[in-house]
Amino acid sequence: EVRLVESGGGLVQPGRSLRLSCKVTGFIFENNAMSWVRQAPGKGLEWVGFIGSKAYGGTTEYAASVKGRFTVSRDDSKSVAYLQMNSLKTEDTAVYYCTRLDGYLGLDYWGLGTLVTVSS
Amino acid sequence: EIVLTQSPGTLSLSPGERGTVSCRASQSVTSSLLAWYQQKPGQAPRLLIYAASNRAAGTPDRFSGSGSGTDFTLTISRLEPEDFAVYYCQQYGDSRYTFGQGTKLEIK
Repeated sequence: EVRLVESGGGLVQPGRSLRLSCKVTGFIFENNAMSWVRQAPGKGLEWVGFIGSKAYGGTTEYAASVKGRFTVSRDDSKSVAYLQMNSLKTEDTAVYYCTRLDGYLGLDYWGLGTLVTVSS
Repeated sequence: EIVLTQSPGTLSLSPGERGTVSCRASQSVTSSLLAWYQQKPGQAPRLLIYAASNRAAGTPDRFSGSGSGTDFTLTISRLEPEDFAVYYCQQYGDSRYTFGQGTKLEIK
């Protein structure tokens, strides 16, 4: 059974940093790209960024709204993907979902999400 | 980046009716790499359709996707009570993925 479990969310002040983790079981993590998607309260889905597998150079790409502040990384030995969020803004408040990214299937597996609240 | 515009924003229908959601892209979607997701309240989104017209594992055959280039459609042939949810299109042909703003399918 495929499972993606996010952790690390919580309340953080504007300007501070937070790191989210996504633990994966049920598929060969190192062979797959991973992505993060967020959803502000009562709003739609917004793609945040992705990281390719090491076989594809571990390429990263980001939405314009987070580029330069957020970093996606991975630890294949632990089957964990990370989202490092720096210089957080109130508008970054959202549920953050971790997903598997397949170049043909799209975002085919999703975690349950973790809530990040940026507020003073 | 490619902007996806869904219509309508809200669709009010009754069980048994046919539902259609449109997704228009600001530029052509490479290789028709467009997906549809369903999201119910309090749940994570779920992949329904990939590459414009292919049903994901577990997607009932009353759901179908079509289109290419800049115009895509999700059709639900006969609405079941569990189909009332929010639907999103998403393109992944461009390296900066984008979602449509969502269509809420509600019971009339």
